[in-house]
Amino acid sequence: GDSVTQMEGPVTLSEEAFLTINCTYTATGYPSLFWYVQYPGEGLQLLLKATKADDKGSNKGFEATYRKETTSFHLEKGSVQVSDSAVYFCALSDLRGGGKLIFGQGTELSVKP
Amino acid sequence: EPEVTQTPSHQVTQMGQEVILRCVPISNHLYFYWYRQILGQKVEFLVSFYNNEISEKSEIFDDQFSVERPDGSNFTLKIRSTKLEDSAMYFCASEGPGNTEAFFGQGTRLTVV
Repeated sequence: GDSVTQMEGPVTLSEEAFLTINCTYTATGYPSLFWYVQYPGEGLQLLLKATKADDKGSNKGFEATYRKETTSFHLEKGSVQVSDSAVYFCALSDLRGGGKLIFGQGTELSVKP
Repeated sequence: EPEVTQTPSHQVTQMGQEVILRCVPISNHLYFYWYRQILGQKVEFLVSFYNNEISEKSEIFDDQFSVERPDGSNFTLKIRSTKLEDSAMYFCASEGPGNTEAFFGQGTRLTVV
């Protein structure tokens, strides 16, 4: 079945460091790909998405590019802030509308001042 | 901005008791979901609901679980006889027509003692 694999956490960075969180997926069709963020004590918020190959999703300085050839959707940010400390979830959905999300295991990011 | 609302935010129940978790999805949305997240683990799909019936359910969603949309606005998850292993954060999500973005509620933390 479809699955998502993320790099293990926790990831600890200093403020203004470069961030990469790796995400790879396995899917039989052409899924849409997402990054969700969960701040401490809160629910899941959509950070960015991409719906087809070579699309780049971006939001709040974060970016991820849908790479079909490597089945990857790595999350990057050029300069992290303390406020970016959260758990980041990569996910896929195999239908455009009405499809369940399949999540990776989550990567905890801690940014130190 | 429209949002998905879940109540209660935290519920403690005794093993064997019935619980009902409540969700108010975004008003024009058509697809509804329940997910759960056991502490420290990944977010897992439970069930999806469309057109007043279950469209897909996971292996977790056994006979102890049920969902309904009793009045066209609320969307509930019932666990008939709770077990210790049902302790988790339960997230409701809804999705509008023709798009690929699910909006999540803040979650209900269920603790079974």
